[in-house]
Amino acid sequence: AQTVTQSQPEMSVQEAETVTLSCTYDTSESDYYLFWYKQPPSRQMILVIRQEAYKQQNATENRFSVNFQKAAKSFSLKISDSQLGDAAMYFCAYSNMNRDDKIIFGKGTRLHILP
Amino acid sequence: NAGVTQTPKFQVLKTGQSMTLQCAQDMNHNSMYWYRQDPGMGLRLIYYSASEGTTDKGEVPNGYNVSRLNKREFSLRLESAAPSQTSVYFCASSEPGVSGSPLHFGNGTRLTVT
Repeated sequence: AQTVTQSQPEMSVQEAETVTLSCTYDTSESDYYLFWYKQPPSRQMILVIRQEAYKQQNATENRFSVNFQKAAKSFSLKISDSQLGDAAMYFCAYSNMNRDDKIIFGKGTRLHILP
Repeated sequence: NAGVTQTPKFQVLKTGQSMTLQCAQDMNHNSMYWYRQDPGMGLRLIYYSASEGTTDKGEVPNGYNVSRLNKREFSLRLESAAPSQTSVYFCASSEPGVSGSPLHFGNGTRLTVT
């Protein structure tokens, strides 16, 4: 069975600095998708970024980028120029490419932004 | 542009009471999901439905039932609520296999069982 592990329950970063959130996963599949979701205090779940496993190029979305290491099964999220609005719970998630497969989440990392 | 609509937003039940959480999506997605979120546990899958007419158990199905009424709607029922079911519940939908379709979430239901 696939698993997703986020080893950092909480992290803090100074405003305007860069922070990296870690995620590792376990799968025997060669094709899959990985996601990072953000959950601010409003409770809403927001997609931050996604990565297709067959693409070697790391995905980027403005200040958010990933470091995808397929062989190491690692998928970290880098947030550059951290802003107060980045304070949230961040979840890493894994999805197979099969139609019937479910999406699996890690336990989350709570990110604090220090002014 | 509703996306995933989930009702109610808040609910307080007494132990033993029953209730149904409603979820509807307007994106013509085949797959729908119910997750629960507890502190330190992340999101855990309760049930999911890969298509209309099919449902499957997730990681924590005990104490819950689901109905995929049609392609749009996927309800979650607690027949006899227990304090351990106090949680935030999220409904989500997706179209797997379509360019890595991500989950689209409802706004969640905070359920308290006393």
